[in-house]
Amino acid sequence: DAKTTQPTSMDCAEGRAANLPCNHSTISGNEYVYWYRQIHSQGPQYIIHGLKNNETNEMASLIITEDRKSSTLILPHATLRDTAVYYCIVRDNQAGTALIFGKGTTLSVSS
Amino acid sequence: GAVVSQHPSRVICKSGTSVKIECRSLDFQATTMFWYRQFPKQSLMLMATSNEGSKATYEQGVEKDKFLINHASLTLSTLTVTSAHPEDSSFYICSASGGSGNTIYFGEGSWLTVV
Repeated sequence: DAKTTQPTSMDCAEGRAANLPCNHSTISGNEYVYWYRQIHSQGPQYIIHGLKNNETNEMASLIITEDRKSSTLILPHATLRDTAVYYCIVRDNQAGTALIFGKGTTLSVSS
Repeated sequence: GAVVSQHPSRVICKSGTSVKIECRSLDFQATTMFWYRQFPKQSLMLMATSNEGSKATYEQGVEKDKFLINHASLTLSTLTVTSAHPEDSSFYICSASGGSGNTIYFGEGSWLTVV
């Protein structure tokens, strides 16, 4: 079973920041927080991951609370192409460990 | 990020036949590959984990004799759906681990329609 809780859906206006929350209150010390997104009829796309420090890359920023029980994915300037299902997943970083998907958050970006 | 490619992207087969889906890691060696199935409006469901050179580990409820997985090299895994039935029609997605930091990357997915 997925170990994260995400809102079912969110809306965002084009050009505004999209902040997607995720609760993972049972995360263990060696588990990372991963974010992926899936655009309709495509394979999931890796976005970002982190352990305890905040992370930023060309796609997004990941803010992890100090107690690591929740995190927020931030898309700084959402575009229509960011409309997708966003999955927050906790996983230890061993090579043989799979990603277990929950239901994710459907983000709809509109103009 | 690393590139994982699946082939074919779409396949239609007759009921009772077998169909093979290939998953390749193009720019890294994948020590572990994972196969998922996704039905419409549902999330991805893990089917099995395969390690190069060894037998795949199947999730509970997934028939290993029906969904044959081979991971013969560090860049190729195959999923064969044997004796396909219409209820096997689904979106099949592979992923691979082994690149930088053991991040997992996904293929484009393969749509299987059994008629």
